[in-house]
Amino acid sequence: GAVVSQHPSWVICKSGTSVKIECRSLDFQATTMFWYRQFPKQSLMLMATSNEGSKATYEQGVEKDKFLINHASLTLSTLTVTSAHPEDSSFYICSARMDLRSGNTIYFGEGSWLTVV
Amino acid sequence: AQKVTQAQTEISVVEKEDVTLDCVYETRDTTYYLFWYKQPPSGELVFLIRRNSFDEQNEISGRYSWNFQKSTSSFNFTITASQVVDSAVYFCALSEVSRGQNFVFGPGTRLSVLP
Repeated sequence: GAVVSQHPSWVICKSGTSVKIECRSLDFQATTMFWYRQFPKQSLMLMATSNEGSKATYEQGVEKDKFLINHASLTLSTLTVTSAHPEDSSFYICSARMDLRSGNTIYFGEGSWLTVV
Repeated sequence: AQKVTQAQTEISVVEKEDVTLDCVYETRDTTYYLFWYKQPPSGELVFLIRRNSFDEQNEISGRYSWNFQKSTSSFNFTITASQVVDSAVYFCALSEVSRGQNFVFGPGTRLSVLP
């Protein structure tokens, strides 16, 4: 079946540095990918919608200059947390939408745990 | 207003008991999808079911069953004869076609099944 892979699964970085998380659709093309954030014991909240070849659409309250999203190909979207701070520590998870002709189904990645120290 | 409400924050049951997790949603779309996901401590989302707005048939899959009622905007999830391995956080989610099918998740219900 379709698989969406995220890398890294977990990462620890120092405050002030940047960290990149990759989201790949392994056996299908995804024109749209979504990025969610989940703080401990909370629900998942949509951060942004990433469309291949165009700028991402960010949800209200999400800083686009801090959370850089690049969807450079039909199988890869990246989320870069710039100048990370401890409050950015969270679980980040992506999802990818298979195109309409292939069923329009959405698959989630395994998620990435980010800890900023 | 929350689009997806899961009234139970935490539920504890003893193994072999049946348990129902409630989900109430809100949408103006006529075409939408409802989902249930299981999230174990490792974090990944385990897909359980997808139901589109035009299919109100109840579904049973092993010990799991779902009751979709458009009249009450509810999509409840029942686990029969619960097991310790069912312990996890369960999320109900709504995906609206008009919003590009991004997911709106409910707050989640933490289920603890005690031996």
